[in-house]
Order: sequence, then C-alpha cells, then structure tokens
Amino acid sequence: NAGVMQNPRHLVRRRGQEARLRCSPMKGHSHVYWYRQLPEEGLKFMVYLQKENIIDESGMPKERFSAEFPKEGPSILRIQQVVRGDSAAYFCASSPGSGGRPFTDTQYFGPGTRLTVL
Amino acid sequence: GDSVTQMEGPVTLSEEAFLTINCTYTATGYPSLFWYVQYPGEGLQLLLKATKADDKGSNKGFEATYRKETTSFHLEKGSVQVSDSAVYFCALSEVRSGAGSYQLTFGKGTKLSVIP
Repeated sequence: NAGVMQNPRHLVRRRGQEARLRCSPMKGHSHVYWYRQLPEEGLKFMVYLQKENIIDESGMPKERFSAEFPKEGPSILRIQQVVRGDSAAYFCASSPGSGGRPFTDTQYFGPGTRLTVL
Repeated sequence: GDSVTQMEGPVTLSEEAFLTINCTYTATGYPSLFWYVQYPGEGLQLLLKATKADDKGSNKGFEATYRKETTSFHLEKGSVQVSDSAVYFCALSEVRSGAGSYQLTFGKGTKLSVIP
C-alpha cells in the first residue's frame, strides 16, 4: 500500500514564476492537508480539503496561494508569482476521514516538496 | 488559540542513555496528542499518539502519557540508539468550531543526536 506521494521532491523557481506542487493521498483516504515548514520551524497548517471541497483554508496566505483537490487526480497547491519568502518545505498529509471522534484521525505525511525561490 | 511548546534542542546523548523530551500544550477543549519523527531529508512519520487523558502511547521503545492536569505529553525512551537521531515534533489536533477541521498544531521540533 503506497504512502502519500508528493512531486516534485525539489523545485526551483525564479521570483515571479508559478510553483505547482502535487500530492496523491494514500489509497482510500479522502482528506488532504497541506503544511509549510520554514527553516528551523515546526510545520504550520495551511489548508484542509476533501474531494472537490476546501474545508478550512485559515492558514493559507490570502494572496497568490490556492489549493484544490479535484474529483480525479492529485491535490494541487499552487503558488503564483513566487517570492523568496516562499522558500520552504511543503508537506502534504492525508487521512481516511474515519467516522469516529474526528480529531483522532491520524494524518500520514508525504516526503515533502522543497521549494527554492532564487 | 492552540499551541504546543517543546524543549529547545539540540539534544546530544550517548548511546543507551535515557531520553526525555518535554512537551506542554494549550488547548480550549480535549485535543488528541501526537509525537512525530522526521529523519533527515524525509517527511514526518507518526511515532505515537494518545487521544484522551491518562492514555499512554508507545512505539519502538518510545512512550508518552497524556497528562491533562499538567497539560503535558513528554516523550521518553529508556535506551536510545544511534538510529534514533532525528527531529521530534510534538503536536495536537482539535476540532475547529464550525469548520470541522482537524488541523495539527506543531511544536518547533527538538533535534536529537545520539553518538556511539
């Protein structure tokens, strides 16, 4: 059973370009989360999605960032007009969306995409 | 809002030494608590979790007990190995009112180095 897949693993962009990060959740998982890890920091929540729906985007910057999780295909985190401050590791996690107490749902993380903005 | 505070690193121990990494939290309700481990260049792996007060999570010789009275979830291991060298993150999750979101709130991480 494959784990959470992310690609690319490393992405280099120049200022002003677009960055597109992909995440394929574990088989059978319908919930996807995106987190950002700045150097020497813990992970910060960005957005939580279910198929075709954004459930909570309270951690997403208001401009330039967007996320989607279409009915078919991977979840995409898009960063438009990147700036140097966007350089970070971006992690995707997925969970099955169990029917029990919701906050016991374990999140499984992918290997991350390390974005470098030149 | 929710927050997690864990001891500053880096922590350097000799092989077979006892490990404690302190973690305390602030939450409005009854969160679930987690320890994740990140090996160099990799993503986070769930190490253990506890979902209610007095629960003890354990895995690979690591243990942590959910202490509601002290709002703590300290990580311990009796005898560390070189292969335990990694960054350890304490985290909590709690439903956000209205949104039904289960976002994880992480501490800053504690880097552990175990030397032979």
